[in-house]
Amino acid sequence: GIQVEQSPPDLILQEGANSTLRCNFSDSVNNLQWFHQNPWGQLINLFYIPSGTKQNGRLSATTVATERYSLLYISSSQTTDSGVYFCAVDGDSSYKLIFGSGTRLLVRP
Amino acid sequence: KAGVTQTPRYLIKTRGQQVTLSCSPISGHRSVSWYQQTPGQGLQFLFEYFSETQRNKGNFPGRFSGRQFSNSRSEMNVSTLELGDSALYLCASSQQRGPQETQYFGPGTRLLVL
Repeated sequence: GIQVEQSPPDLILQEGANSTLRCNFSDSVNNLQWFHQNPWGQLINLFYIPSGTKQNGRLSATTVATERYSLLYISSSQTTDSGVYFCAVDGDSSYKLIFGSGTRLLVRP
Repeated sequence: KAGVTQTPRYLIKTRGQQVTLSCSPISGHRSVSWYQQTPGQGLQFLFEYFSETQRNKGNFPGRFSGRQFSNSRSEMNVSTLELGDSALYLCASSQQRGPQETQYFGPGTRLLVL
């Protein structure tokens, strides 16, 4: 099955810094979503982005499907951005998401 | 529009018991999926329901089962609980069934098996 790798596994930033999170996947995908898991465990949708570029406020994402990677950019980070960021894909139209292991982000004041 | 809701939010059980978790999808959403999250295995797909039928199942033992009702609400059941079943169980809904559908997750049910 499709493999999803996220890097870095852990990231510590000072408030106001920018960061880039990466998601590599081993095969073509029909669905790619980025999520933020808050401290209470809920997965919050950030982007549905199987290809192309999207922006939402301080967050943006780019997926280069032909090269099998996606990037999540966080600009001017805030302490509320702390948590775990997951990339998830559906690669074989199996109607299920395969998750990466996540990037744990800590933003310090 | 209200998001995906899950009940209960927290649950403590002992080994050998069974448990039922409930998920109400976003209004108008017809597909419901369940995922298990543990520190060791991460997020893993359990099963997917659409039109009251299980359409897809992950690699979990038969102790894990579920169902979907005509109003799209779903329940999952775990029988003969084991310590390793301690996890966060997340439910997701999407409007239709399809690989390109955006899935929206509920807050989860945190299960502790003692």
